[in-house]
Amino acid sequence: QKEVEQDPGPLSVPEGAIVSLNCTYSNSAFQYFMWYRQYSRKGPELLMYTYSSGNKEDGRFTAQVDKSSKYISLFIRDSQPSDSATYLCAMSAWGQNFVFGPGTRLSVLP
Amino acid sequence: DSGVTQTPKHLITATGQRVTLRCSPRSGDLSVYWYQQSLDQGLQFLIQYYNGEERAKGNILERFSAQQFPDLHSELNLSSLELGDSALYFCASSPLTSTDTQYFGPGTRLTVL
Repeated sequence: QKEVEQDPGPLSVPEGAIVSLNCTYSNSAFQYFMWYRQYSRKGPELLMYTYSSGNKEDGRFTAQVDKSSKYISLFIRDSQPSDSATYLCAMSAWGQNFVFGPGTRLSVLP
Repeated sequence: DSGVTQTPKHLITATGQRVTLRCSPRSGDLSVYWYQQSLDQGLQFLIQYYNGEERAKGNILERFSAQQFPDLHSELNLSSLELGDSALYFCASSPLTSTDTQYFGPGTRLTVL
């Protein structure tokens, strides 16, 4: 079992839809969580950074962490074609480097 | 723009050759990380430097080495290149520790022919 898993997609949704992107993990020591957006052949761009469990909202993006289920989510409201990209989750334990998920490819269709 | 710069953007070379990739972190960031991203592997952590010293090693081959200089820029050296080394190489930086937010550069695309 990989340490961090993501549905690779591709996930296709119509413009305006609510998108749910998810990662599961096996290491219960993880407590730092990040979401990145990566456009094709570009560097990953940080979207959200959260510590421990709970929700964090930033504009159209909401990150949720459920440590009891070892499950994190990124919700995108009112999705736009410009949101079409690969979304990477990353997580780490204290003093450890981040482990990245393989990424989910999202296409938002106009 | 993350503030992390990488040069060159593209590099095409032959098997057996040696190349050097360069990274300048965001102003004030002490940690530099190197990652490799190939089509079938995702983002693989290679190595981390903190204020000039090696802090952590990931899946870095013995043919690869890195260093961080006193001005905090970093170089990744890849030698005896093989076709399978063709990938995107990203540098990221963070203020302090490995659990800080990491900001990625635009990457260097390496093609080994």
